[in-house]
Amino acid sequence: SQQGEEDPQALSIQEGENATMNCSYKTSINNLQWYRQNSGRGLVHLILIRSNEREKHSGRLRVTLDTSKKSSSLLITASRAADTASYFCATDFTGTASKLTFGTGTRLQVTL
Amino acid sequence: KAGVTQTPRYLIKTRGQQVTLSCSPISGHRSVSWYQQTPGQGLQFLFEYFSETQRNKGNFPGRFSGRQFSNSRSEMNVSTLELGDSALYLCASSPGDSNYGYTFGSGTRLTVV
Repeated sequence: SQQGEEDPQALSIQEGENATMNCSYKTSINNLQWYRQNSGRGLVHLILIRSNEREKHSGRLRVTLDTSKKSSSLLITASRAADTASYFCATDFTGTASKLTFGTGTRLQVTL
Repeated sequence: KAGVTQTPRYLIKTRGQQVTLSCSPISGHRSVSWYQQTPGQGLQFLFEYFSETQRNKGNFPGRFSGRQFSNSRSEMNVSTLELGDSALYLCASSPGDSNYGYTFGSGTRLTVV
């Protein structure tokens, strides 16, 4: 079964706008990771945030982590058409190192 | 450096047959994990191998098995295929420390007819 839920399930925005996706999980974690998947292909690692970190940036990506609420958010700023993909959060939760548990994913559509 | 290579890319098998999928990790990576992705169940963890030993296993029946060779290449095998085994099978490579992200291959799309 999946560790958590992502919200929204689908998001449609115009190029240049910001996109925010949320992820909730259920148990204590070592770290939380975000991945992108284009049209049923492999997953691409975007960013990893450790349980003792609250915010992390990578280019146009900003990730926050609130361990008290067991939630994370991914913000993509100034979206481009090429950002169109499905985005998944994945937790590496305490005691099960080497296993990722994925959320349900958010399908992002960026239109011109 | 070369990425994670999965072969074959596509496979069509008949119910009852068995199948073997292959994964070559990034050079120097000792951990290989396998995931199954279906529209209904999403991404689910199958198992993980590190230095030829299975370190972790998901909740899949015994028909799903795997192994890792001394060069870190890994294979997974599914015996007695069922229609529900149709899925995208993804392999992920990492150095083995949980604080690194994983590099995924492009996957093998298995269709069982």
